[in-house]
Amino acid sequence: EAQVTQNPRYLITVTGKKLTVTCSQNMNHEYMSWYRQDPGLGLRQIYYSMNVEVTDKGDVPEGYKVSRKEKRNFPLILESPSPNQTSLYFCASSFSHPGTVSYNEQFFGPGTRLTVL
Amino acid sequence: SQKIEQNSEALNIQEGKTATLTCNYTNYSPAYLQWYRQDPGRGPVFLLLIRENEKEKRKERLKVTFDTTLKQSLFHITASQPADSATYLCALYVKTSYDKVIFGPGTSLSVIP
Repeated sequence: EAQVTQNPRYLITVTGKKLTVTCSQNMNHEYMSWYRQDPGLGLRQIYYSMNVEVTDKGDVPEGYKVSRKEKRNFPLILESPSPNQTSLYFCASSFSHPGTVSYNEQFFGPGTRLTVL
Repeated sequence: SQKIEQNSEALNIQEGKTATLTCNYTNYSPAYLQWYRQDPGRGPVFLLLIRENEKEKRKERLKVTFDTTLKQSLFHITASQPADSATYLCALYVKTSYDKVIFGPGTSLSVIP
């Protein structure tokens, strides 16, 4: 089944304790992205990746890191989480970059609900 | 400033009626606009994409219009069903310092049996 998976689905942690949220897609998609969703603010892009070893900042990158060593995986790293990073996080992938003619949709993962105390 | 607005209030309609959701934007010139559906606790699911040179697009009971002069998209669900109850997100593709898709805050739709 074509899908985007994320782990963990739920995480409660404490300020300053490094964590990684994994994301994997099995559709051979080139473009991957991380979003956070907060009430009233909609989805905001954190980082995106055009392909392996190519990543760039989105709208709200502060406090986050990413890597893209393999095409299928795009982990999100919080080196020193803070309470303002409490949010619902989504990983998404698409066959091509949103600016290409062949682009149609992003496939989203099920989400990771993170609470930082 | 640039912003995307959707119906600020939740929308409640009777089963069988047509639901109309609004997406308004300011200070953007999107090449295309998308609509996604999101159920509680789940990721958004793509529904439709409409490009700037298209006025209307349909898919089964769904219809989307795109008016670049009014800077507005309307999303219609005809013969609505309780299973259509969800939050609907509009998203614009814009070219700024980098290409990106920007999401609106969403509209919650409840279809009452």
